[in-house]
Parts: sequence; C-alpha cells; structure tokens
Amino acid sequence: QVTLKESGPLLVKPTETLTLTCTVSGFSLSNAGMGVSWIRQPPGKALDWLAHIFSNDEKSYSTSLKSRLTISKDTSKSQVVLIMTNMDPLDTGTYYCARIIGGQDLFGSNWFRFDPWGQGTLVTVSS
Amino acid sequence: SYELTQPPSVSVSPGQTVSITCSGDKLGDKYACWYQQKPGQSPVLVIYQDTERPSGIPERFSGSNSGNTATLTISGTQAMDEADYYCQAWDSTSVVFGGGTKLTVL
Repeated sequence: QVTLKESGPLLVKPTETLTLTCTVSGFSLSNAGMGVSWIRQPPGKALDWLAHIFSNDEKSYSTSLKSRLTISKDTSKSQVVLIMTNMDPLDTGTYYCARIIGGQDLFGSNWFRFDPWGQGTLVTVSS
Repeated sequence: SYELTQPPSVSVSPGQTVSITCSGDKLGDKYACWYQQKPGQSPVLVIYQDTERPSGIPERFSGSNSGNTATLTISGTQAMDEADYYCQAWDSTSVVFGGGTKLTVL
C-alpha cells in the first residue's frame, strides 16, 4: 500500500522560510518514472501545483513561484523536502504531497498523474 | 501561461448522467486527468490519460478528450459522487489544474 505523509510547521510568520517534508512508503523514490509532487490549496480555493521531483532527480517548478521554491529528495530516508522562502499570508493553505507517475507515449507526448495523495497539512502564515 | 477552464458548479438528479467539462487551448493534444475531492478530504484520482480508470474507481466514471475540451462523465450518479472535481494537464514544463467544479446531487 502506497502512502505519503506531510510534516512541518503549522504556523509560520511572514517573510519566514517554510520547510515541509513528505515521507513515503510502499514505493521507492528510485523507482523509474515515479516521484513526488507538492500541491497546495488555499482555503475554499482550487488546487495549485508547486513542484515535483522524479527518481532521476529531474525537477520542475511552478513558473510563478520558481524563485521561492526548492525541492530535493533523500532516497535512503524515503523523504522529499520542499522549501518555500519569503512566506506571505496569501500562502496560507493545505499543502499536499502526492506520488507522481509520468511517462511518454509513442508520439513523444508526456503524461503525468498524481496518485495517491497525502492527507495534507494546513499551513497558516500570520504574525 | 496555460489555463484550464471548468464550470464552477453542476447539478444532477440521482441516477442521471452528468458531464463536467474542462476547456483549454488544444487540450486534446495533451493528456487530461480528473480528481474527486470531498469536503475535508484529499483529492482522489478518478480518470487518467484521458480515459483510464484507476483500480477501485467505479465504472460509472468515464472520460474523453478531443479538440479543446476534456469531459468527465458520471453515469447513474449517486449521492456519494457529490464532490469537487478538478481536471489537470501538463503543459510543456508545468502542471496545470482547472479551477474546479462543484457537483451537487439534488
């Protein structure tokens, strides 16, 4: 059974740096075509993709947040870490990690899916 | 930047068929996924690669994708299907989610 669990601070102050950890089980961070993605959801709003990292260490970041994000993994610990700098109250929301499975079809088109998701952790940014 | 547009809300009577659309420029040239999110819960994948159903997802969920529109169809809708639904695609270097559709089963 594949599971993911987020951990980190529940409350951060504006301008501080947020560090979140996703601990996975049931699959390895070295499995080809797999990785972990971070997605957030402000209260009452839509899902917002942040970043992902694959087993080959390939990384991608949200264009609008790229300057504030760093994603990394420790395969031996089965953990993926997301660092977000200069936190703002607008960054308040539930942060999810999810297993990402990706591939390419015969025509070179990429596909990705997120399955399963962690339970999420609510991060509040307030002074 | 690439955008996916969904209707904010859709309603259906129990037992009926409902379709939720997701529109984006040449979306049919990309692969679409759909996620179901019930209140207070994490999203769950219900359709991937346009038409595929993960194990454990009921057969009443189906998907299609052509032109500029991907569609999630629920046949014989049940009360338990009331939830928010999000479409998702990959555009060059970024993952994009739609704004979500609230499905109400009246």
